[in-house]
Amino acid sequence: GENVEQHPSTLSVQEGDSAVIKCTYSDSASNYFPWYKQELGKGPQLIIDIRSNVGEKKDQRIAVTLNKTAKHFSLHITETQPEDSAVYFCAASMASGFQKLVFGTGTRLLVSP
Amino acid sequence: EPEVTQTPSHQVTQMGQEVILRCVPISNHLYFYWYRQILGQKVEFLVSFYNNEISEKSEIFDDQFSVERPDGSNFTLKIRSTKLEDSAMYFCASTRDHSTDTQYFGPGTRLTVL
Repeated sequence: GENVEQHPSTLSVQEGDSAVIKCTYSDSASNYFPWYKQELGKGPQLIIDIRSNVGEKKDQRIAVTLNKTAKHFSLHITETQPEDSAVYFCAASMASGFQKLVFGTGTRLLVSP
Repeated sequence: EPEVTQTPSHQVTQMGQEVILRCVPISNHLYFYWYRQILGQKVEFLVSFYNNEISEKSEIFDDQFSVERPDGSNFTLKIRSTKLEDSAMYFCASTRDHSTDTQYFGPGTRLTVL
């Protein structure tokens, strides 16, 4: 089955810096890759997603890139703010009616003022 | 904005007891999921449910687990005889239909088995 690896496990940056989180997946049939942000005591919240027919997607300060050949995808956050501090999870699935998400191990991002 | 809701937010139970975790998915959604997250670990898929049937389940979802949609709004996860290792956050999620992939997660229920 699908396996998703995520790095780094923790990431500390200064406010205004960029942050990059990387994930690799194992199943070439996976074609949907969402990123979730989880704040303390809350459920995962979708922040951006990408499908395999697209190499890059951007939404304001957040962008995701996908390299299907290498089977890796990355989350880029620019101009980080303290409120970006949270745990970020990548996930992969085969988009279909009953798709399940396979999550990475998470990255704890700490943005210091 | 519509949300997935879950109750209770925290459930404490004794080992061997039955628990029912409740979820109200977003109203026009058709696909429902349960995931769990053991403290400090990744979110793991348990089961998916569509058209009143389980469509897929993981190896975690053994005979002690069951799901039900008892009415038009609730989606429940039952653990028949809880074990210590069932202690985790349980998240419900829903998706509108097969044309979209976005899963919306609820806030979770923290289950503590003593």
